[in-house]
Parts: sequence; C-alpha cells; structure tokens
Amino acid sequence: DAGVIQSPRHEVTEMGQEVTLRCKPISGHDYLFWYRQTMMRGLELLIYFNNNVPIDDSGMPEDRFSAKMPNASFSTLKIQPSEPRDSAVYFCASSKQKAETQYFGPGTRLLVL
Amino acid sequence: AQTVTQSQPEMSVQEAETVTLSCTYDTSESNYYLFWYKQPPSRQMILVIRQEAYKQQNATENRFSVNFQKAAKSFSLKISDSQLGDTAMYFCAFIQGGSEKLVFGKGMKLTVNP
Repeated sequence: DAGVIQSPRHEVTEMGQEVTLRCKPISGHDYLFWYRQTMMRGLELLIYFNNNVPIDDSGMPEDRFSAKMPNASFSTLKIQPSEPRDSAVYFCASSKQKAETQYFGPGTRLLVL
Repeated sequence: AQTVTQSQPEMSVQEAETVTLSCTYDTSESNYYLFWYKQPPSRQMILVIRQEAYKQQNATENRFSVNFQKAAKSFSLKISDSQLGDTAMYFCAFIQGGSEKLVFGKGMKLTVNP
C-alpha cells in the first residue's frame, strides 16, 4: 500500500491567500484525521471524518478553516484567508476503525508570509 | 480528560547502547491503547509500537520494546542497540477504546551519537 498521501509537501503563500491541502487516505480506512503541529502547541487534532462524514470539528481554530471529504479517497483542508499564525506542519492520518492505529501522511509544511 | 506526560524533553545516547524513554498517562478507563510514534527530521510520523491495555504481555518490535505497567499508568519505550537512524522526536500517545481521538504527549528529542 502507498500509505497516506498528502500534497503539496511544502507551501509558501502570502497572508490573505487561500490555501488548500490535500489528502488521500489508505484504501479501506474509514477514518480520516487532520492534525496541525507547531512548536508552541504540539500536535492538535483539527477535525476527523468517519465514512466521509465530519464527526468532530471542535479543533478547527476558526471559521477560516474548513475541511471536506467528498469521497472515501480524498479530503481537503482549506484556509481562507491565510494568516502568518497558520504556519505549521499539517498532517493527515487514517485508520481502519475506532481506536485502531492511525497512519500518518508525510505532512504539508505551510509557511504564510 | 486523558493526559499523556513525557517528562524528559531531551536525551542522548551513544550508538549501540540501550536507552529508555518514559511516558505516563492518566485515565479512569480500563480499555485503551498506547502508542509510540517516531518523528525523524523528515517530519514524517512513524508508528514504532502499539500496546493494548488488556494485554499483559509487553509489545516488542525488533529492537523496540515497551515496559507497560498498567497499575502505575506507565508506558516506557526501550530501544536496544541504538542506531544513528533512531535520532528523532518520540511521541507517546493514548487512545481510549471506542474513541477516535489520539492524545499525544509533548514529545522527547532523542539523539544517537556515533
């Protein structure tokens, strides 16, 4: 299996621009998670989906953040408009079932200038 | 709320030596799972080992093993025969049975010196 795939791997953008991060989970996994990692706050769960349905978005920091999962093999995390404090590494992870091992993608390193 | 504590922010060890990374957690539940993840400089989060709370036997994966002390709520990772490639951040993580939310510790930076 190819593992969790994320794109782009690196993104540099200017404040106010829209940023879209993409994720392809492992085939057959029913859960998809979006995390953000910063030095200050560590790893934070932003949102997760079960069978393409958002279950808990309580970690999404602001209305500027939105996530979708139109089908079982694709999810996006969008930031509009982006701000310098959004600079972080964003991870996508997937798991087969509840409480199963979560497998992480390589992450997207976002820098907002 | 469940919490995971990694009290040692940083450690270093000589190549080929054995090192133990500590982790404690707090939960009132009896059904849960524990993990160690490794994050090398590439930033990829890699699963090292997983332990089910209902299993008394400590999990082992090649040079990596855990010392799971359920009563003490302790979950330490032992790395034997340390290699330069083991240099990374190591995160202890917990998930309650029936839950989807993985709770991470703050991580510990391990450096393996030649």
